[in-house]
Amino acid sequence: GAVVSQHPSRVICKSGTSVKIECRSLDFQATTMFWYRQFPKKSLMLMATSNEGSKATYEQGVEKDKFLINHASLTLSTLTVTSAHPEDSSFYICSARGRDENIQYFGAGTRLSVL
Amino acid sequence: GNSVTQMEGPVTLSEEAFLTINCTYTATGYPSLFWYVQYPGEGLQLLLKATKADDKGSNKGFEATYRKETTSFHLEKGSVQVSDSAVYFCALGKGFQKLVFGTGTRLLVSP
Repeated sequence: GAVVSQHPSRVICKSGTSVKIECRSLDFQATTMFWYRQFPKKSLMLMATSNEGSKATYEQGVEKDKFLINHASLTLSTLTVTSAHPEDSSFYICSARGRDENIQYFGAGTRLSVL
Repeated sequence: GNSVTQMEGPVTLSEEAFLTINCTYTATGYPSLFWYVQYPGEGLQLLLKATKADDKGSNKGFEATYRKETTSFHLEKGSVQVSDSAVYFCALGKGFQKLVFGTGTRLLVSP
């Protein structure tokens, strides 16, 4: 099956710093990638949808200047949490979808802890 | 709009028991339906899917049938194992629109 690699799996940073999370599709071309946030024991909250080569579409209430998304190639998307604060601590998960199918394949997630 | 409703958890079972996790949906047209599983500390894995009415998705002993008349996609397994302990998410998707997830149901299987 399709494989999506997400890195890092865990990151701890100081308040005020920026953190970049990478999401790669290893064996298919991901025309669309999605970024989710998951709170403890909760469902996934879609943050944004990004199509290769174009600007990401953010969900209502998600600060685009805080959560920068780049999808520069068909195999890589990045999420940068800028000026992170403790309330940004969460589990972030990416997913990717190929051109001609409606199945999303998920990365293993990144646990961000902001001190 | 589209929505998915899952049964509240946790569901607690003994090993080899029969599992049912209910999922119903609201959608216009003919969405595709999915079950994803999330093991502790990991992302989601696609467990099974169905793309049209009466389709049955199956994988690893799990099954779910797309029932349009009852707008349901219940997940079943005849004999659960401890290793099946995880959170299960029902989801729907229409065409290339974003997925709509249920709230997830935690399954705990004891030896």
